[in-house]
Amino acid sequence: IAGITQAPTSQILAAGRRMTLRCTQDMRHNAMYWYRQDLGLGLRLIHYSNTAGTTGKGEVPDGYSVSRANTDDFPLTLASAVPSQTSVYFCASKVGQNTGELFFGEGSRLTVL
Amino acid sequence: GENVEQHPSTLSVQEGDSAVIKCTYSDSASNYFPWYKQELGKRPQLIIDIRSNVGEKKDQRIAVTLNKTAKHFSLHITETQPEDSAVYFCAATITGTASKLTFGTGTRLQVTL
Repeated sequence: IAGITQAPTSQILAAGRRMTLRCTQDMRHNAMYWYRQDLGLGLRLIHYSNTAGTTGKGEVPDGYSVSRANTDDFPLTLASAVPSQTSVYFCASKVGQNTGELFFGEGSRLTVL
Repeated sequence: GENVEQHPSTLSVQEGDSAVIKCTYSDSASNYFPWYKQELGKRPQLIIDIRSNVGEKKDQRIAVTLNKTAKHFSLHITETQPEDSAVYFCAATITGTASKLTFGTGTRLQVTL
């Protein structure tokens, strides 16, 4: 089934550890995004990529990094996790930067202790 | 950057009644306004969207209205059903650029029997 796959679906992590959340899409979408969802704060953009080889910072980029080596994959890395990064992370994609609908992955629930 | 405010944060209606969720945006250049529905434990999914060249759009029991002068847009759900219970997010962006959706903080709608 075509779509976006995120891994892991859930993870508990000790503070200070490095963590990479994986995101893969098979829809050949050019644009990809990482959002975090926190109660009362909605969905906030962390990083984005309009096309393979390019990335940009969103609203809350500090403590996170991304790479876009190819069209399909867009991993999000926490270099040294802190408790404030406890959240649900959603990867999303859309056909191109000028079009509308975002397709979301199922989310990755991360708990940093 | 764009700022989207959404109200109310929670909304409880009886089955069969109507529900209205309101959003305001700050950037007068924004021209695309989608609404996403997120059921408990699931990913957000697009339910309806509107572009700035129209004032209203309907799809069965849901409709969205846009007032560009006042910079606000609203989601209307008529004849609510229990399966409408979810969190609803509004969003705004400018298409034609490196568009990044800015989301509201969400409204939790509860439809009671």
